[in-house]
Amino acid sequence: NAGVTQTPKFRVLKTGQSMTLLCAQDMNHEYMYWYRQDPGMGLRLIHYSVGEGTTAKGEVPDGYNVSRLKKQNFLLGLESAAPSQTSVYFCASIAGGDTGELFFGEGSRLTVL
Amino acid sequence: GQSLEQPSEVTAVEGAIVQINCTYQTSGFYGLSWYQQHDGGAPTFLSYNALDGLEETGRFSSFLSRSDSYGYLLLQELQMKDSASYFCAVRDSGGYQKVTFGTGTKLQVIP
Repeated sequence: NAGVTQTPKFRVLKTGQSMTLLCAQDMNHEYMYWYRQDPGMGLRLIHYSVGEGTTAKGEVPDGYNVSRLKKQNFLLGLESAAPSQTSVYFCASIAGGDTGELFFGEGSRLTVL
Repeated sequence: GQSLEQPSEVTAVEGAIVQINCTYQTSGFYGLSWYQQHDGGAPTFLSYNALDGLEETGRFSSFLSRSDSYGYLLLQELQMKDSASYFCAVRDSGGYQKVTFGTGTKLQVIP
């Protein structure tokens, strides 16, 4: 059981380049989330999803787009990367119902030069 | 919107007990969770409270007061490996189940 898998784990981009981070979960979870974490700070919510085809903006959505075409996958896209998007990105998922446990991927470290 | 407040740093002695507080403001509340994160790692789930009261899981306990919009994480018999950052997180009661994190408390356990 792999849980939540993020790819790639590391990436270096030049300003203006685009890329997509992939998050895959094999737990049949309805809800999925993308967070970013900057040094010494907490996790800030970028976008989240309640199921296939449904997404919502979090606290810091500007410069990012997402898609959830399949229940198990949640993609985070950067159309034109900026140095301010240098961060560690975490994907997480949670089942419906009365549970508080978010399952996290290992994180994707992105550097924009 | 949602906001959560935690102390930024706490230092405690090995073997002691430490309490990390969390106060929150939210438009709709479903539950409060706690996560641990070691440097360079991903957050891992510790505890969850949806109802008022105390939840105990081994050396860790978590408390919630919905009327006071307040919770805490209690760590007993502190070990050096407990040195980490601890985050509280609120799960929204809306249909999209938004989960918002506090800024985290860095716990240093000293001998």
